[in-house]
Amino acid sequence: ETGVTQSPTHLIKTRGQQVTLRCSSQSGHNTVSWYQQALGQGPQFIFQYYREEENGRGNFPPRFSGLQFPNYSSELNVNALELDDSALYLCASSLSGVEYDFGPGTRLTVT
Amino acid sequence: SQELEQSPQSLIVQEGKNLTINCTSSKTLYGLYWYKQKYGEGLIFLMMLQKGGEEKSHEKITAKLDEKKQQSSLHITASQPSHAGIYLCGASGAGSYQLTFGKGTKLSVIP
Repeated sequence: ETGVTQSPTHLIKTRGQQVTLRCSSQSGHNTVSWYQQALGQGPQFIFQYYREEENGRGNFPPRFSGLQFPNYSSELNVNALELDDSALYLCASSLSGVEYDFGPGTRLTVT
Repeated sequence: SQELEQSPQSLIVQEGKNLTINCTSSKTLYGLYWYKQKYGEGLIFLMMLQKGGEEKSHEKITAKLDEKKQQSSLHITASQPSHAGIYLCGASGAGSYQLTFGKGTKLSVIP
C-alpha cells in the first residue's frame, strides 16, 4: 500500500450534477496530482497542486477544479457532470516531485 | 505534446516464460516510469529511469532506458500469475511534473 487513500470507492451520479472526490496523502507529501482514467486508456493528467496552489493543469475544462489543504488532503470537484466524465479518478502524491504514489482511485459513473 | 506508444497492447504467456513490453516516446525522455495496475485499481510504482542506458531491476522485473531511441523496455523473467495485470509506462517532460501515460499493456499469465 502507498499510504494514499481516496474516497469514496465508487460513486454514481446523474448528468448535470456536481461531485467531490477526496484524497488523503502521506504526511509531508506537499504535491498532489489528479488523473482521469477512462476504460482501456492510460491516466490523463487533470491538474497538480503544490503547497495548496494549483501549479499545472492538463487539457480539462474549468468545471474540473480542486483544492489542497494544509493537512495533505485534497479534493477534486467536477461540476455539470457529463456522461464522458465516467472514469476512474486517481490522485497521486509526492514528497520529492519526482516519484509519485498513487491512491486506489474512485470509480465515477455518470448516468 | 508528448505521446507514448506501448507494445504489445496485450500479451498472454505461459507461466515460467520470459516477456518484454516496450514503450516508445514521441519526444525526448527526461524521466520514464513503469507502473503496474490491477484492473480498476490504483497504480503500483515499479521503477523510474532517468539516464540513458540506465537499467534497474526489482525481483524478476528489469527495465531499461534507451535515450537515443526514446524507448524503454520492461522485461519479466520466469513469469508468474502474480505478474498479471496492466503495465503502464509514464513519462515526464523537461521541467514538467505532469506524467503522460501510454495506454497500457495487459498481461495475462496462464498457470
